[in-house]
Amino acid sequence: GENVEQHPSTLSVQEGDSAVIKCTYSDSASNYFPWYKQELGKRPQLIIDIRSNVGEKKDQRIAVTLNKTAKHFSLHITETQPEDSAVYFCAAKGSGYSTLTFGKGTMLLVSP
Amino acid sequence: DAGVIQSPRHEVTEMGQEVTLRCKPISGHDYLFWYRQTMMRGLELLIYFNNNVPIDDSGMPEDRFSAKMPNASFSTLKIQPSEPRDSAVYFCASSPGQGTDTQYFGPGTRLTVL
Repeated sequence: GENVEQHPSTLSVQEGDSAVIKCTYSDSASNYFPWYKQELGKRPQLIIDIRSNVGEKKDQRIAVTLNKTAKHFSLHITETQPEDSAVYFCAAKGSGYSTLTFGKGTMLLVSP
Repeated sequence: DAGVIQSPRHEVTEMGQEVTLRCKPISGHDYLFWYRQTMMRGLELLIYFNNNVPIDDSGMPEDRFSAKMPNASFSTLKIQPSEPRDSAVYFCASSPGQGTDTQYFGPGTRLTVL
């Protein structure tokens, strides 16, 4: 089955800096890669996703890049703000209709 | 739409008791997922349904866990008997299917087994 590795497990940045979280996946047939943000005590919420036929996608301060050859994808957050502090999860969906396999999460702390 | 609804939001029970968690998916969604989240193991898929039919229950930890979906608007996850190691946050999520892969999570049920 699919295996997703996520790094780093924790990331501390100063407000205004950029943050990058990286994930690798094992199933070359995976075709859907969402990113979820989970604030303390809340549910995971989708913030951005990308499909395998697209190399990059942006939404205001967040962007996701995908390298199918290397089987890795990354989340980029620019101009970080304290409210960006949360746990971020990457996920990958394997071939066919299958389920999402989640990474272990990255705790992002943005200090004022 | 109110989103995915779960109840109860918090459950505290004693070891050996039966626990039933409930979920109402978003109307019109064909897929329903049950996840368990712990610090040690992260977010784990327990079971998922397509059009009320269980498709993959390989993530269910053992026979003490069971899940049902009697209709398109309701699902239950039951633990009997419960054990302290079952303490976790249990999330239900639903997805439209039909080419849309996005999963929408409910608020979760925080289960504590004493």
